[in-house]
Amino acid sequence: DTAVSQTPKYLVTQMGNDKSIKCEQNLGHDTMYWYKQDSKKFLKIMFSYNNKELIINETVPNRFSPKSPDKAHLNLHINSLELGDSAVYFCASSLETRLAGNNEQFFGPGTRLTVL
Amino acid sequence: AQSVSQHNHHVILSEAASLELGCNYSYGGTVNLFWYVQYPGQHLQLLLKYFSGDPLVKGIKGFEAEFIKSKFSFNLRKPSVQWSDTAEYFCAVSPVPGGGNKLTFGTGTQLKVEL
Repeated sequence: DTAVSQTPKYLVTQMGNDKSIKCEQNLGHDTMYWYKQDSKKFLKIMFSYNNKELIINETVPNRFSPKSPDKAHLNLHINSLELGDSAVYFCASSLETRLAGNNEQFFGPGTRLTVL
Repeated sequence: AQSVSQHNHHVILSEAASLELGCNYSYGGTVNLFWYVQYPGQHLQLLLKYFSGDPLVKGIKGFEAEFIKSKFSFNLRKPSVQWSDTAEYFCAVSPVPGGGNKLTFGTGTQLKVEL
């Protein structure tokens, strides 16, 4: 009965490779997010989708491309991986929040990406 | 744009000690306020949130926080900590209205509770 799930949990890869992280939520939410947590535990939003529409796109290299095939899934594809991409990536979801901004975000378990 | 400051980066307490973690935010308008906790190796979980009304909010596991608008603060408190409270604590804000529920997090406070 996992609410927000991510795969894989760990991802170790070489510089220059392309990789994807998948996220699924079964909470019936229509907004999903990707966050990056760096080595100092600082969390920063990367993207947000509402009903498959991109609504938040922070200053993120265009090597990062989110894809939302439906409102229950938000995948993150990363091209040409760099050392600095090493981090923990968290997916989250919430109810539709464009106006109020007050809905709790539910986080997935995270994907630890290590680029060698 | 909003920003969040958590001044205590590392806190070490003995069991049964009282806890107060500071959180200050910077934003010109109304915000919603949150405290999240991340236990070792786990995902973030919501401890409590403030949207409106009583500025003293109670959350899970005996935590509470007080919103002081004049000080732009939302400090987290617990009267008596337990070893199991060892975790990373994050304060976060989202603007009202709009903003797409964009959460801006503070840098986190690592709490270690010793037996």
